[in-house]
Amino acid sequence: AQKVTQAQTEISVVEKEDVTLDCVYETRDTTYYLFWYKQPPSGELVFLIRRNSFDEQNEISGRYSWNFQKSTSSFNFTITASQVVDSAVYFCALSVTGNQFYFGTGTSLTVIP
Amino acid sequence: DGGITQSPKYLFRKEGQNVTLSCEQNLNHDAMYWYRQDPGQGLRLIYYSQIVNDFQKGDIAEGYSVSREKKESFPLTVTSAQKNPTAFYLCASRPTGPSNEQYFGPGTRLTVT
Repeated sequence: AQKVTQAQTEISVVEKEDVTLDCVYETRDTTYYLFWYKQPPSGELVFLIRRNSFDEQNEISGRYSWNFQKSTSSFNFTITASQVVDSAVYFCALSVTGNQFYFGTGTSLTVIP
Repeated sequence: DGGITQSPKYLFRKEGQNVTLSCEQNLNHDAMYWYRQDPGQGLRLIYYSQIVNDFQKGDIAEGYSVSREKKESFPLTVTSAQKNPTAFYLCASRPTGPSNEQYFGPGTRLTVT
């Protein structure tokens, strides 16, 4: 069975602080795909990044970075120098075959000006 | 512009009435999905369709029905059998291929009183 756990329900940080959102996944498949999505107050989920199980390279995109560690089954997301516009709910998701996506319960991030 | 359209944004119905939520995409994606989002519970899969005239139940299909007569359209009917229909409903589509991400519509917030 597939499962994604986002243990942090809500996080508040002051603007310009760094923040890491945790994501732990469970799967017995050796080929799988991990995703992060952002859901701003408008409600539409916005795709941020995809990582496949064979690529453990970390990735940086501007203020965003992702740390994928198969040894701990984690795919954590760090926002550097947070901004008010980063306030949103962030979801981590797992896909094995591509037919179904397994979403975590989300982490609500509030950046205080 | 290509994308996914869900209408209306807000929908109100009386208990006991069936209601159909619209989802249209012009991305030429084969797969389409319906999710339900409740506070603190993340996204739960209702139905998904990999191809026209075919669809599968997700984790919480009871009380819902779908059709996929056209590639572009995947309407969801919330029936009177659904005990707690008030929720935020998200439609998504995805191109063929196991690694591809899902693209989401803006969502419909359904309130049943």
